[in-house]
Amino acid sequence: LAKTTQPISMDSYEGQEVNITCSHNNIATNDYITWYQQFPSQGPRFIIQGYKTKVTNEVASLFIPADRKSSTLSLPRVSLSDTAVYYCLVGGYNTDKLIFGTGTRLQVFP
Amino acid sequence: GAVVSQHPSRVICKSGTSVKIECRSLDFQATTMFWYRQFPKQSLMLMATSNEGSKATYEQGVEKDKFLINHASLTLSTLTVTSAHPEDSSFYICSARLAASYEQYFGPGTRLTVT
Repeated sequence: LAKTTQPISMDSYEGQEVNITCSHNNIATNDYITWYQQFPSQGPRFIIQGYKTKVTNEVASLFIPADRKSSTLSLPRVSLSDTAVYYCLVGGYNTDKLIFGTGTRLQVFP
Repeated sequence: GAVVSQHPSRVICKSGTSVKIECRSLDFQATTMFWYRQFPKQSLMLMATSNEGSKATYEQGVEKDKFLINHASLTLSTLTVTSAHPEDSSFYICSARLAASYEQYFGPGTRLTVT
């Protein structure tokens, strides 16, 4: 199972773009990269998933370089409600389990 | 989108009693469900992988006789904490994976407090 490394914490201000980078040097060929958001006392919430290059949805973008050894979650114009812990996970198909790393605690200030 | 529910959302029990937590996939079938435990300010720790119709696979260090997992149908998995002790107090979260896909969805969690 690929291990992920993320910064423990990040601070930002409302309206700024936040980029959180995750390292996963041992990612396997069939692994996808998934990012989750977690608020206190809640289950993780799916944000975005990708395999390579760039993926964008209504809340975030995910940038994955060609070697796939890292990925960057980009949150445009964060608000106070984006204060949460963000987890990067890599995993495979079907029954493959997801192992959580430390996550990145994002604090957004007014 | 796919929804996973847990019941109860919080439970308080006395030391020595057993507690059952249910995890349901509401609008999809999940051949595989996962159980995690999370202590305050810490990350989620995988406890076990549950496959429908077969025995659960436990992670190293997790006592299978203490944390009983049953996955009797494609939409329901249960975790029973037997003879609970205060150190079992934690936030328990389940997740369900869509069959033949990479998509995994998490429940809202169950807060267990053992007094």
